[in-house]
Amino acid sequence: EAGVAQSPRYKIIEKRQSVAFWCNPISGHATLYWYQQILGQGPKLLIQFQNNGVVDDSQLPKDRFSAERLKGVDSTLKIQPAKLEDSAVYLCASSAGPVTEAFFGQGTRLTVV
Amino acid sequence: GESVGLHLPTLSVQEGDNSIINCAYSNSASDYFIWYKQESGKGPQFIIDIRSNMDKRQGQRVTVLLNKTVKHLSLQIAATQPGDSAVYFCAENTGFQKLVFGTGTRLLVSP
Repeated sequence: EAGVAQSPRYKIIEKRQSVAFWCNPISGHATLYWYQQILGQGPKLLIQFQNNGVVDDSQLPKDRFSAERLKGVDSTLKIQPAKLEDSAVYLCASSAGPVTEAFFGQGTRLTVV
Repeated sequence: GESVGLHLPTLSVQEGDNSIINCAYSNSASDYFIWYKQESGKGPQFIIDIRSNMDKRQGQRVTVLLNKTVKHLSLQIAATQPGDSAVYFCAENTGFQKLVFGTGTRLLVSP
């Protein structure tokens, strides 16, 4: 079974630029999560989708972050404009059922300079 | 807000020893707890979980203990191996399938 795919693996941008991350969840998984993991900290949930609907986006900085999951499959997370404090690993996860069955991708490491 | 934290940021053990990683949680409404292992450059990997109606659960070389009275969770790894070296996170399901992660404990296993 293929795992959660994310791209790119690494990205370096200047502050105030925009960036987009892509996630392809495990086939058939209805729930998709985006987490932000700052170095030395645990992952923080940014947004959670159930199919193509948003379940939770309470911790998503909506003035600069946006996410979509068209057709309930792939998802993109965008940051515009980026700030220095956005430097982190962005993890995508998916699950077919309860959250404990969530499978994580390798993440995208973003560096904002 | 509610949070999950860990007591020890780094734990160093010798190969073959038993390891115990501790975690404190604050949300008394959480009903499900999970331990994840994260190796460098990889996403978190599910290890073991436990529901709030249990106080102990065992897996292969791992045991999770839950003490709801003091809101404490621990992960015990038997006969620790170099491949166990990683950062370990406890996480709680606060409801609506929302996982809150702790800061993490780095486990270093020396041969």
